[in-house]
Amino acid sequence: GENVEQHPSTLSVQEGDSAVIKCTYSDSASNYFPWYKQELGKRPQLIIDIRSNVGEKKDQRIAVTLNKTAKHFSLHITETQPEDSAVYFCAATPFGDKVIFGPGTSLSVIP
Amino acid sequence: KAGVTQTPRYLIKTRGQQVTLSCSPISGHRSVSWYQQTPGQGLQFLFEYFSETQRNKGNFPGRFSGRQFSNSRSEMNVSTLELGDSALYLCASREPGTSAEDTQYFGPGTRLTVL
Repeated sequence: GENVEQHPSTLSVQEGDSAVIKCTYSDSASNYFPWYKQELGKRPQLIIDIRSNVGEKKDQRIAVTLNKTAKHFSLHITETQPEDSAVYFCAATPFGDKVIFGPGTSLSVIP
Repeated sequence: KAGVTQTPRYLIKTRGQQVTLSCSPISGHRSVSWYQQTPGQGLQFLFEYFSETQRNKGNFPGRFSGRQFSNSRSEMNVSTLELGDSALYLCASREPGTSAEDTQYFGPGTRLTVL
């Protein structure tokens, strides 16, 4: 069935270090992969997304890579800051008709 | 434009009762999706409505239902509440809403507690 796995479930990094979150998906028909950030007590917000015709996308300190053959994609945050502390969700879109989320990664950036 | 709004923000119910949650999408957005968020299960897809029709449904029991009105506002209903239904219920809208690849915007959620 449709499934998105995400690792690690928790991640602690020192301020200034990089953080990497990895996701795998089961449905090869997925073509769109968004990433959401949810700060404590707030709503999820889209931070970056990638489509299947692109292997990598960057937006300032955030980048996402996609390997469609292996069915996995990753979020990279460089030069982490305390305000990056949040729960991050990856997602995939099986058959393009709904969004399936991973279980989330709780990122803590230690000052 | 105003963002996605949800009412009420907090609800406390007892087992066996029913509850109705409301979601108003961003003006012009025709798709509204509902998600259940719990600490152990993350964001679970409930269903999606587009132009007053349910377009997709997740793997939830029939106690969970929804509808959408002509102004795109949506409601979800949970009947015969169980303790396990305690969760944050989020709705999200997107424009134009014809594809899951359109950006979703989430509401603040309704925190439901079942006692």
